[in-house]
Amino acid sequence: DIQMTQSPSSLSASVGDRVTITCRASQSVMKYLNWYQQKPGKAPNLLIYAASTLQNGVPSRFSGSGSETDFTLTISSLQPEDFATYFCHQTYSPPLTFGGGTKVEIK
Amino acid sequence: EGQVVESGGALIQPGGSLRLSCAASGLTVSRNYIKWVRQPPGKGLEWVSVLYGGSRTYYADSVQGRFTTSTLYLQMNRLRGDDTAVYYCVRASCSGGSCPEQWGQGTLVTVSS
Repeated sequence: DIQMTQSPSSLSASVGDRVTITCRASQSVMKYLNWYQQKPGKAPNLLIYAASTLQNGVPSRFSGSGSETDFTLTISSLQPEDFATYFCHQTYSPPLTFGGGTKVEIK
Repeated sequence: EGQVVESGGALIQPGGSLRLSCAASGLTVSRNYIKWVRQPPGKGLEWVSVLYGGSRTYYADSVQGRFTTSTLYLQMNRLRGDDTAVYYCVRASCSGGSCPEQWGQGTLVTVSS
């Protein structure tokens, strides 16, 4: 099974900060990597698919990069509505697996 | 893109069975795949199953042999307390891999006596 390790598990940041979240796969997942944002009581919202493609309607301050085993989600300038939990997810090979999540909190 | 709506969540006793439905408008089994994802209260996301091409299915070890997925349903048998979660149906806009997805709003399954 492919293990997905996200870091950090939580972070505190201020509005306007640049935020970077990393996800490491235990083996190559090529570019089959999604990033989601989830707010309390809501379904996850797909931000990025195929490691770097922005889902329709997602603000351009979100970006994704990486391939094989190392991936990054970057928020270029954190906005108040971005305080949430973020998950990575490999769709390369079943069992499909998620990272443990990164909670982005207000500093 | 169409919508995805789950239904069927309930309070069920341990050992019982439940069938969740997934209504995904515009689904084409040859061009979409369906996965189920769950989230226990206060915890992260856990993949449950995936259905490719309307027939190839894969399951998480924790549900293998107890859960069965089809294009329209997730049949859950021999339910346990650790199956308690919000269950999401997800339709991906490709036949496999990483692509745009539509998620349902989720349906709550509570396994308790």
